[in-house]
Amino acid sequence: DIVMTQTPLSLSVTPGQPASISCKSNQSLLHSDGKTYLYWYLQKPGQSPQLLIYEVSNRLSGVPNRFSGSGSGTDFTLKISRVEAEDVGFYYCMQSIQLPPVTFGPGTKVDIK
Amino acid sequence: QVQLQESGPGLVKPSETLSLTCTVSGGSISNYYWSWIRQPPGKGLEWIGYIYYSGNTNYNPSLKSRITISVDTSKNQFSLKLSSVTAADTAVYYCARGGTIHILQHWGQGTLVTVSS
Repeated sequence: DIVMTQTPLSLSVTPGQPASISCKSNQSLLHSDGKTYLYWYLQKPGQSPQLLIYEVSNRLSGVPNRFSGSGSGTDFTLKISRVEAEDVGFYYCMQSIQLPPVTFGPGTKVDIK
Repeated sequence: QVQLQESGPGLVKPSETLSLTCTVSGGSISNYYWSWIRQPPGKGLEWIGYIYYSGNTNYNPSLKSRITISVDTSKNQFSLKLSSVTAADTAVYYCARGGTIHILQHWGQGTLVTVSS
């Protein structure tokens, strides 16, 4: 199985300040089809996960442009340019290049200072 | 907008079979991949497996011997059966839809299943 790690596991951010979450995989997520199957999800308190970013850097329709994803191979980053109160929750990266199984990172808890 | 709703017993006894159904509304079950994911209380996400609308399945090897995922296109539903459950299977179970095998785009709200005698 591909192992996903995230750092930090917890992040406390002042509103309006930036935040960055790192996600690493123990194998490259670049597929022979040219796509990189790395996704970012946000699970707000009491809710189900919601897809933010697909294939490293593509924001889902409706996701605010303060969210951006970058990276390649085994190293990826989710950035929030200016954190808002509604951004609190757990952020998960997920790989699906090699399944079964799809695997998730352990999650990064983001809260507001 | 597609909506997914999980349903099933909230309490299952150890060694019995957990059975859940995901009902899809606002869209057809055809031409999509339908997945189950679970989350033990206070823990992270674990992918259980998926079924294509045609019936092709792919399961997490760690659970494969105990899982059956099936689809009923006439009812716009798909289902999960997990046999021989233990307390370790206590979790919120989510269903999700993806346009390919790689993506989990739309999620249900989740249902908590507790395994206890």
